[in-house]
Amino acid sequence: DMQMTQSPSSLSASIGDRVTITCQTSQDINNYLNWYQQTPGKAPKLLIYAASTLQSGVPSRFSGRGSGTYFTLTITRLQPEDSATYYCQQSYISTRTFGQGTKVEIK
Amino acid sequence: EVELVQSGAEVRKPGESLKISCKASGYDFTKYWIAWLRQMPGKGLEWMGIIYPDDSDVRYSPSFQGQVTISADKSFDTAYLQWRSLKASDTAIYYCARESVVEPTPQSYYYFMDVWGKGTTVTVSS
Repeated sequence: DMQMTQSPSSLSASIGDRVTITCQTSQDINNYLNWYQQTPGKAPKLLIYAASTLQSGVPSRFSGRGSGTYFTLTITRLQPEDSATYYCQQSYISTRTFGQGTKVEIK
Repeated sequence: EVELVQSGAEVRKPGESLKISCKASGYDFTKYWIAWLRQMPGKGLEWMGIIYPDDSDVRYSPSFQGQVTISADKSFDTAYLQWRSLKASDTAIYYCARESVVEPTPQSYYYFMDVWGKGTTVTVSS
């Protein structure tokens, strides 16, 4: 089974801050890693695929990096609308799995 | 507009059966995988399984194999998630999502869920 571990599980930051979330996988997945954002009461939204490719329409303050087993999602200049839970998800094996989520709150 | 429209909220008793739906529009339904995901109250996302509507090829997460049935009817551009006997622990929001693929370099296929339904809330309570 592929294990995916996100950290931290939650964080609180101020408007304008730089925020970084990490995702570690139990196996080498190359760069087959996606990131999603979920705001309360809404369906998830794709932010980044292939570890670093920004989905169309996603603000450029979001960026992703990593390969192998270690990945990061960074939000530069945090905005109020970025208050959400963020999930990583691997697409390396056919049984997809998600990290447990990171809740980002605005101070 | 590309869209997945899910059926409405359901309330059932333990032991009852249920089938919820996800209707696609705005794209060729038969050419994209459709995934089903569970989100239990206050919890994270769980991938349940996926279907390719063109030939009804289905893959299940081991956690959900035998617990649910995923199907599709390409005549109606609709995917389904079905339970034969619900349990209280099936109470959750269920999402369907389209899985798209890009091939930026030969033999490198990147899959991601780019279109989501709004979710169907299923409540199982006696």
